[in-house]
Amino acid sequence: AQTVTQSQPEMSVQEAETVTLSCTYDTSESDYYLFWYKQPPSRQMILVIRQEAYKQQNATENRFSVNFQKAAKSFSLKISDSQLGDAAMYFCAYRSADYGGSQGNLIFGKGTKLSVKP
Amino acid sequence: EAGVVQSPRYKIIEKKQPVAFWCNPISGHNTLYWYRQNLGQGPELLIRYENEEAVDDSQLPKDRFSAERLKGVDSTLKIQPAELGDSAVYLCASSPDRQSGATYEQYFGPGTRLTVT
Repeated sequence: AQTVTQSQPEMSVQEAETVTLSCTYDTSESDYYLFWYKQPPSRQMILVIRQEAYKQQNATENRFSVNFQKAAKSFSLKISDSQLGDAAMYFCAYRSADYGGSQGNLIFGKGTKLSVKP
Repeated sequence: EAGVVQSPRYKIIEKKQPVAFWCNPISGHNTLYWYRQNLGQGPELLIRYENEEAVDDSQLPKDRFSAERLKGVDSTLKIQPAELGDSAVYLCASSPDRQSGATYEQYFGPGTRLTVT
């Protein structure tokens, strides 16, 4: 079974600075997707960025980028020029590329709470 | 485009009482998910529907939980009777049809926060 581990329960960053959130996963599959979701306090979860495992190039979305190390099974999220609105829980998630049965489901880590200091 | 709609947003009940949650997915999304999110944890899947069919309900505690998705659109998740340990946020998500090369991105609703006293 696949697992996702986020080893940083809480992180803090100064506004305008850069912060990196860590995620590792365990799988025997070669083709899969990885996601970072953001969940602000009392607000709904939204997708920040996704990475296809077959792509070597790291995904980027504006101030958000990932460092995908497939051999190391590592998928970290870098937030540049941090803003107050970035404060939230961030969840790393894994999904198999095989959509059949339970393999089509997202497997989440426990999350990292990010605080942004003004 | 409207997002995933859930109601109620908050619910407080006494243990042993029944409770139901409702979800309306994004129009055209045939796959619907129910997750439970305990405090300080990531969401965990309870059940996944493709159209009217529950394709994965292996994590649904069937002794007290039930779900339905009549007509393949709206869905209801029920707990009867509720226990103290059921206090959590119940999230609904939907995703588009399977397409070659698609990532089947999931879109989440705001959730229902259940408190069982």
